[in-house]
Amino acid sequence: EIVMTQSPATLSVSPGERATLSCRASQDVRSNLAWFQQKPGQAPRLLIYVASTRATGIPARFSGSGSGTEFTLTISSLQSDDFAFYYCQQYNNWPLTFGPGTKLEIK
Amino acid sequence: QVQLVQSGAEVKKPGASVKLSCKASGYTFTEYAVHWVRQAPGQRLEWMGWINADTGITKYSQNLQGRLTIARDISANTVYMELSSLKSEDTAVYYCARGHYPGDYVLLLFWGQGALVTVSS
Repeated sequence: EIVMTQSPATLSVSPGERATLSCRASQDVRSNLAWFQQKPGQAPRLLIYVASTRATGIPARFSGSGSGTEFTLTISSLQSDDFAFYYCQQYNNWPLTFGPGTKLEIK
Repeated sequence: QVQLVQSGAEVKKPGASVKLSCKASGYTFTEYAVHWVRQAPGQRLEWMGWINADTGITKYSQNLQGRLTIARDISANTVYMELSSLKSEDTAVYYCARGHYPGDYVLLLFWGQGALVTVSS
């Protein structure tokens, strides 16, 4: 199965600043990569799919890039509501697999 | 609006089985696959399997093959997940999720609220 890794494990950023989260796949997943946001006690929320397409209702400050094995989620001008866990997920091969997550915390 | 409403928390002993439900509303039930995904405490999300709500065809993670059964009741717009021979490592929040559009088996757009399953002697 494809193993997903994410870095950093924890990212401390001040509100209003930019956050850059990384995701790596153990093999080529083309652009079949999604990003999710999850807050404590809540279900994950789909943010990005096909590596760079925002899901309906997701603010433009969320952007995704990359293809193959290296991907990035960028959140420009962080707002208080953005501090959460972020997971990447590949859907190029079965089984669907998720990264271990990045905790985005307030600096 | 699309809603997936799951059954409540369960506490089970090792070796027992658990059966969870996921009731769908707000869309045509048979047009979408429904997935089950779980998350052990402090761990990453783990995809478990899906069911085509129309045909009943299923696909399971090899890690759970033999212990996992996903079924649906079209008349009730409900999907069920049963996991047998429970171990302490199965303690997790279990989510059902639906795809983005008809025929989509990979994008998990809509999620249930989750159900905690605790396996403890």
